Amino acid sequence: SQTIHQWPATLVQPVGSPLSLECTVEGTSNPNLYWYRQAAGRGLQLLFYSIGIDQISSEVPQNLSASRPQDRQFILSSKKLLLSDSGFYLCAWSDTFRNTEAFFGQGTRLTVV
Amino acid sequence: DAKTTQPNSMESNEEEPVHLPCNHSTISGTDYIHWYRQLPSQGPEYVIHGLTSNVNNRMASLAIAEDRKSSTLILHRATLRDAAVYYCILRDNFGNEKLTFGTGTRLTIIP
Repeated sequence: SQTIHQWPATLVQPVGSPLSLECTVEGTSNPNLYWYRQAAGRGLQLLFYSIGIDQISSEVPQNLSASRPQDRQFILSSKKLLLSDSGFYLCAWSDTFRNTEAFFGQGTRLTVV
Repeated sequence: DAKTTQPNSMESNEEEPVHLPCNHSTISGTDYIHWYRQLPSQGPEYVIHGLTSNVNNRMASLAIAEDRKSSTLILHRATLRDAAVYYCILRDNFGNEKLTFGTGTRLTIIP
């Protein structure tokens, strides 16, 4: 069966520090991968999505970047965090060719101080 | 992307049925209607999806209007554990596209 792993669960980082959040999927190949951010009390904002290695689309201009070094690995990074980067970050995957559901990780709650 | 419109919030009494509406007047012929829900401090989870016909599963029922411009998620007997934000989204038939969520409907269950 397919599983999605996202870590860490919580993170407190100072302003200006770098960020690296990792997401891996098991049990499937060539998944669509997604990064979302949810500010407190707000909806889900799509940050990046990827339909394959080296195929990453950015949805919102910001100081974040995403990479997909392997088929089932999706990494969210920042060189210098801002206070406004605080939020709940979620990784998700869905099947590339079938219209099935998307599966979400447990999320990382990031607090920038 | 085809857009969806949902009420910001709804309340329902425990053990009563709940009807959560969604409007999608610009839906295309190849768009599936998906519903997800997000419990507090968790990632969204899939609830149900459909194309034209009404759908039932162990979690809920999905009623789709004949013109497909609206749909309703039905929770037959709400429990306190159903309190969540419910999202209605449209997905292309082939699934190979970005997945965007609106603000959803925050459902409160009254004991």
